[in-house]
Amino acid sequence: GAVVSQHPSRVICKSGTSVKIECRSLDFQATTMFWYRQFPKKSLMLMATSNEGSKATYEQGVEKDKFLINHASLTLSTLTVTSAHPEDSSFYICSAGRDSRGAADTQYFGPGTRLTVL
Amino acid sequence: QKEVEQNSGPLSVPEGAIASLNCTYSDRGSQSFFWYRQYSGKSPELIMSIYSNGDKEDGRFTAQLNKASQYVSLLIRDSQPSDSATYLCAVAGGTSYGKLTFGQGTILTVHP
Repeated sequence: GAVVSQHPSRVICKSGTSVKIECRSLDFQATTMFWYRQFPKKSLMLMATSNEGSKATYEQGVEKDKFLINHASLTLSTLTVTSAHPEDSSFYICSAGRDSRGAADTQYFGPGTRLTVL
Repeated sequence: QKEVEQNSGPLSVPEGAIASLNCTYSDRGSQSFFWYRQYSGKSPELIMSIYSNGDKEDGRFTAQLNKASQYVSLLIRDSQPSDSATYLCAVAGGTSYGKLTFGQGTILTVHP
């Protein structure tokens, strides 16, 4: 177990449009989900931490009005990139935290969404 | 000083050899340590987690943790070409409870 799905896997959109990415934990409940972005040949950059039923906590430098995160249930979190621009093109990856040893710090990653903004 | 440091490599080993990947971290309060494997164009996949000092073995993989030295390593025995990937060390706990801090990753190439 510990499967995380992400949809869509790939999206190409025009500049100025909004794109919604879904992240689901399929076989466990995740009170905490995380959103990352990754540029080519770079490590993962945490964007925000999402807790079910509460507002997301954004990392420094991440615009919360541009990257809207909703964590509506224990198995679903969404990231909406609003008014996307070419510089938002990246690989977006979600992860779901699964409780281990009393700490929800074991993260299982979704397959990622490759966003290309034209 | 980076919070989690790894040798970026690339590390190249022949098939069948032992690959040794190293990671150091700066936050002494860190409690949980993970190794992820990431193939090009794919998302990270959890390989090992370790929480206590010493060794933890899972198949061909052995994770080693030394909290006094703030050091964690991953050994891959009988390396296979399919092990060629980027290996990410991640640390949780301490001042970043619940969040993972990643190293920059080590590129491993196993050549036939």
